[in-house]
Amino acid sequence: GAVVSQHPSWVICKSGTSVKIECRSLDFQATTMFWYRQFPKQSLMLMATSNEGSKATYEQGVEKDKFLINHASLTLSTLTVTSAHPEDSSFYICSPTGTSGGASYNEQFFGPGTRLTVL
Amino acid sequence: KQEVTQIPAALSVPEGENLVLNCSFTDSAIYNLQWFRQDPGKGLTSLLLIQSSQREQTSGRLNASLDKSSGRSTLYIAASQPGDSATYLCAVLSSGDKLTFGTGTRLAVRP
Repeated sequence: GAVVSQHPSWVICKSGTSVKIECRSLDFQATTMFWYRQFPKQSLMLMATSNEGSKATYEQGVEKDKFLINHASLTLSTLTVTSAHPEDSSFYICSPTGTSGGASYNEQFFGPGTRLTVL
Repeated sequence: KQEVTQIPAALSVPEGENLVLNCSFTDSAIYNLQWFRQDPGKGLTSLLLIQSSQREQTSGRLNASLDKSSGRSTLYIAASQPGDSATYLCAVLSSGDKLTFGTGTRLAVRP
């Protein structure tokens, strides 16, 4: 399957700071990137969808000014949680799709996730 | 809006038992259904992918079936092992390339 990496794997920060999470697709071109978050003992919820070179589309209830997504290249997308607060503590997971095995209607691949804890 | 439900929410079985996990979805217009495994604090591992035109897929001790018209899928695990303990998630791919996840089933296999 596709190789997807996320960095950092975990981060602890103070309330009010910003945190950037990187997602890299190592062996294929990610034309689309999905960002999910998962609260403890809950399932994954889609936050936003971004296409390479375009602005992200956010799901209802997700603040676009708080969760900044950059998808400037086919191998890298970043999610920045701005002015993080304790309620933003969650597990953030990226899922790239694109050419070379990750196209729509095929198997979806996911990054290993980033655990964010905001104190 | 697609909604995906998994039953049971939690399951504890002795080692060696065969078991079935259930997944149901409200909108049958799906492209595919995928079963994942998630270990605590970890990402997702894809187990099986069933396209909308398929009825089932098998991989080792795992067998997944899909009844698209009734909005149901089952994941059958044969001869369960303690290493199978994890949360199992099903997810359906619908229009707009959106993947909707189920609520998950937490499985514990006792030695």
